[in-house]
Amino acid sequence: DAGVIQSPRHEVTEMGQEVTLRCKPISGHNSLFWYRQTMMRGLELLIYFNNNVPIDDSGMPEDRFSAKMPNASFSTLKIQPSEPRDSAVYFCASSNTGAPPYEQYFGPGTRLTVT
Amino acid sequence: AQSVTQLGSHVSVSEGALVLLRCNYSSSVPPYLFWYVQYPNQGLQLLLKYTSAATLVKGINGFEAEFKKSETSFHLTKPSAHMSDAAEYFCAVTPVYNQGGKLIFGQGTELSVKP
Repeated sequence: DAGVIQSPRHEVTEMGQEVTLRCKPISGHNSLFWYRQTMMRGLELLIYFNNNVPIDDSGMPEDRFSAKMPNASFSTLKIQPSEPRDSAVYFCASSNTGAPPYEQYFGPGTRLTVT
Repeated sequence: AQSVTQLGSHVSVSEGALVLLRCNYSSSVPPYLFWYVQYPNQGLQLLLKYTSAATLVKGINGFEAEFKKSETSFHLTKPSAHMSDAAEYFCAVTPVYNQGGKLIFGQGTELSVKP
């Protein structure tokens, strides 16, 4: 059974460019979470979806960040324009909120470097 | 509001020694509790989970955790550390009622194992 799939695994881009990170949750899971991890700030929840609907986006840093979930098997996190301070590892996780205790399963992450 | 506190951002033990990583939660009712492990350059992996079925929970790689309601604690232990246990460990909590599956994570504890 495939776990959470993220692409790309590594992304290097120049400041000002648009970056799109992709996530495929585990089949049958109905909640999807985007996290960012840095040495300075640790693990931060950016946004999460339940049944494809954004529930809480209070962790999104600013308007340059946007996330979508057009269907149950795909989500994107977009940064436009990117800045060096966006350099981090971005994780996607999914869970089944119909099955307590709702543990989350994480993808391998996308390491983003903005120069 | 629920919260999680991990005591000690860095813990160092010798190979073969007891591992004890501390986690305390704040919640009006006993929640679901989790320990995750993150090896270098990898995503978070579920170690074990507490669902109220048993207070002593056994996980993967020889780890276990004990839920103590009176102390609002869920400390992680392993009798004998191995070099491969070096990683970052996260405690997390979620209420037993469904909130879209959002987890509240602690700040993490980095475990070092000395030969």
